Amino acid sequence: AQTVTQSQPEMSVQEAETVTLSCTYDTSESDYYLFWYKQPPSRQMILVIRQEAYKQQNATENRFSVNFQKAAKSFSLKISDSQLGDAAMYFCASRQGAQKLVFGQGTRLTINP
Amino acid sequence: KAGVTQTPRYLIKTRGQQVTLSCSPISGHRSVSWYQQTPGQGLQFLFEYFSETQRNKGNFPGRFSGRQFSNSRSEMNVSTLELGDSALYLCASSLERDSTDTQYFGPGTRLTVL
Repeated sequence: AQTVTQSQPEMSVQEAETVTLSCTYDTSESDYYLFWYKQPPSRQMILVIRQEAYKQQNATENRFSVNFQKAAKSFSLKISDSQLGDAAMYFCASRQGAQKLVFGQGTRLTINP
Repeated sequence: KAGVTQTPRYLIKTRGQQVTLSCSPISGHRSVSWYQQTPGQGLQFLFEYFSETQRNKGNFPGRFSGRQFSNSRSEMNVSTLELGDSALYLCASSLERDSTDTQYFGPGTRLTVL
């Protein structure tokens, strides 16, 4: 069974600084996908970034990048130049094959002005 | 393209009643998944439909059911509501039901059971 663990229930960062959110996962499959979703107070779950396990290159999307360590089963999200609009719950999720998304418990990110 | 829409956005019911929630996927998307989000349990998978067939089911009692129509719109039904069913119910759609697809979420339906 897939499991996803986010060990940081809350994080805070100063505006314009960089923050890294941690995620570890466990899966028995070799083909799987990893995601970071953001859920602001409006509750709409928004895709931030995704990573295919077979790709060695870390995914990036503008200010968002991941550090994918396949052997360690680690998938952290780095947010550079943090902005007030980045404040949200961040969920790490994995999906193997055509199966369901499995989510971590989430990390609440606060941006301090 | 319009995003995933869910109706209603908010719902208040009493114990023992039943409720139906609706989800319209992004145009062209054929897979619809449902998730329950609560503060205690986090995000839990309910079921997934693809081309009107339930292809995957989470660990929820039979009171939770769903269906998908030929236009890919989906409904989920909860019968004999319990207080613990109070949650945010999220629907997500994807283009195809395979591992390359990203699921896009709707705004959710907030269900309160009194």
